[in-house]
Amino acid sequence: DQQVKQNSPSLSVQEGRISILNCDYTNSMFDYFLWYKKYPAEGPTFLISISSIKDKNEDGRFTVFLNKSAKHLSLHIVPSQPGDSAVYFCAASAHKAGGTSYGKLTFGQGTILTVHP
Amino acid sequence: EPEVTQTPSHQVTQMGQEVILRCVPISNHLYFYWYRQILGQKVEFLVSFYNNEISEKSEIFDDQFSVERPDGSNFTLKIRSTKLEDSAMYFCASSVGLVTDTQYFGPGTRLTVL
Repeated sequence: DQQVKQNSPSLSVQEGRISILNCDYTNSMFDYFLWYKKYPAEGPTFLISISSIKDKNEDGRFTVFLNKSAKHLSLHIVPSQPGDSAVYFCAASAHKAGGTSYGKLTFGQGTILTVHP
Repeated sequence: EPEVTQTPSHQVTQMGQEVILRCVPISNHLYFYWYRQILGQKVEFLVSFYNNEISEKSEIFDDQFSVERPDGSNFTLKIRSTKLEDSAMYFCASSVGLVTDTQYFGPGTRLTVL
């Protein structure tokens, strides 16, 4: 199931710089997208989400951009901090009117972000 | 801040045994989910549950799996006869509804089948 792909398994950035994590999807029925952060031995922690009616959503240091025509979204973290080091997952769901999905999230493979002091 | 809790944190069982994984979703949430992550692989959807019924299930969720909300707070995943390939982290999640769709995850139960 490759409906959601994160093509970069890892990303390394310097503290204070911008981290950009990318995600591509193939299912045009997806209409809600989320980013989760995960530390080892913990569950995914919700970071930020975006609906398909928007192209940008911002929450503090985190901004998600959605390009529907390219079926691409990205998460920007500015400025990056060492505590941001974790695995970042992109996830998507589809629940159009009359659709059969009830909130099922489809996840990407994750990108390991390392922020160096 | 309210959170999803899961017990046990680690469960070791013999192949063929039944296991029950327990979750306490966030109290005002109405939708409940189970996901799993086999080591080195993606987080995969298993099942969603609403109004005491399964709403959707994946092809992984076969007859060996069942879910239940036995009381007003717990949400359980039962695997009737475990297989080696059931070894994984199992995550419970809950959400208020579908419109907001933000699912909040528990810390997971690591299931090891020997």
